[in-house]
Amino acid sequence: GAVVSQHPSWVICKSGTSVKIECRSLDFQATTMFWYRQFPKQSLMLMATSNEGSKATYEQGVEKDKFLINHASLTLSTLTVTSAHPEDSSFYICSARPVRGRGEAFFGQGTRLTVV
Amino acid sequence: DAKTTQPPSMDCAEGRAANLPCNHSTISGNEYVYWYRQIHSQGPQYIIHGLKNNETNEMASLIITEDRKSSTLILPHATLRDTAVYYCIVEGGSEKLVFGKGTKLTVNP
Repeated sequence: GAVVSQHPSWVICKSGTSVKIECRSLDFQATTMFWYRQFPKQSLMLMATSNEGSKATYEQGVEKDKFLINHASLTLSTLTVTSAHPEDSSFYICSARPVRGRGEAFFGQGTRLTVV
Repeated sequence: DAKTTQPPSMDCAEGRAANLPCNHSTISGNEYVYWYRQIHSQGPQYIIHGLKNNETNEMASLIITEDRKSSTLILPHATLRDTAVYYCIVEGGSEKLVFGKGTKLTVNP
């Protein structure tokens, strides 16, 4: 079946530095990808929609200058957490659908970010 | 906000059927019901989806009421590996999957 891969699986960074997370659709093209954040014992919260070749669409309350999203190709979206702080520590997950707007979505394995 | 309501937790004995309910009383005519599950510290996994007819695949069955205001996910023979948080999501072409709080299913030996 279709696969979405995230890299890295986990990362520890120092406060004030930036971290880039990659999300790839391995066997299908995705004009749209989605980024979620999940805090411990909570549900997934949609952060933004990544659009290939255009600007990302951010959900209300998500700082676009803090969470930079780039979707430069049909198989790759990146999320950069800029000037990370301990409160940005979370589980970040991406997803994509082979058929736009319907059918099953595939999720990456997630990236555990710890800011120290 | 999520358009669905699920019980926060359920227990099931191994080998028995697990029936997970979901209320979606405000569902629109073009919206599908999707079910995903998330095993601890992993990305969600697709289970099944449907519009108005009951659906079955190798993982589960989905029963949707005639008025489409609720549905039930059935895992016919639950195993310990089915312990996870199960999410019922209503979505109709906006592409965005908005997750509610889900049901934490614990399968007991």
